[in-house]
Amino acid sequence: KAGVTQTPRYLIKTRGQQVTLSCSPISGHRSVSWYQQTPGQGLQFLFEYFSETQRNKGNFPGRFSGRQFSNSRSEMNVSTLELGDSALYLCASSLTSGRGLTDTQYFGPGTRLTVL
Amino acid sequence: AQKITQTQPGMFVQEKEAVTLDCTYDTSDPSYGLFWYKQPSSGEMIFLIYQGSYDQQNATEGRYSLNFQKARKSANLVISASQLGDSAMYFCAMRGLQHGNQFYFGTGTSLTVIP
Repeated sequence: KAGVTQTPRYLIKTRGQQVTLSCSPISGHRSVSWYQQTPGQGLQFLFEYFSETQRNKGNFPGRFSGRQFSNSRSEMNVSTLELGDSALYLCASSLTSGRGLTDTQYFGPGTRLTVL
Repeated sequence: AQKITQTQPGMFVQEKEAVTLDCTYDTSDPSYGLFWYKQPSSGEMIFLIYQGSYDQQNATEGRYSLNFQKARKSANLVISASQLGDSAMYFCAMRGLQHGNQFYFGTGTSLTVIP
């Protein structure tokens, strides 16, 4: 079974631009979560989507948004990029959304975003 | 609120030796799950092991075992017979039924295996 895939793997943008990252979950998984990882802040939860609905949201500004499609694929968008948005963005998928504690999140390889 | 604490920013271990990575947690959830992930320099987070709060026995997966002490709220990862490929960041995480599917991660421990 194929794992979680994320595209692109690397991105370089300039301040003020916007960016869209894509995540394809493991087949059959309906929940997709997004995380931002930086050396200073560690792993921070952005949001989670389940069945095309946002179920949880972390403490990030409205410039960060996402959506999920009917095939469970998810996209994350960051508008008006700032230097501080440079990070590794990780996507994780799981079977359900909070229905079972054993429901493990499986991560993709991440998208490394650099904002110049 | 839920909180995960990993107090060891960096650890060194000799190849073939065992090593314990510490993790303590704080939660008001009566039921919760604890996870360990490995993150090599490539960036991908790899799931290692899971422990449920009501599991009577400590979880084991190959060379990984979880030393779960519920009363002390600790969930330490034990890696036996360390290999050079074990060099990576290790993250402890938890989730609780009252907090949906959101995972809370610790700050991680960097493990270096010395030949």
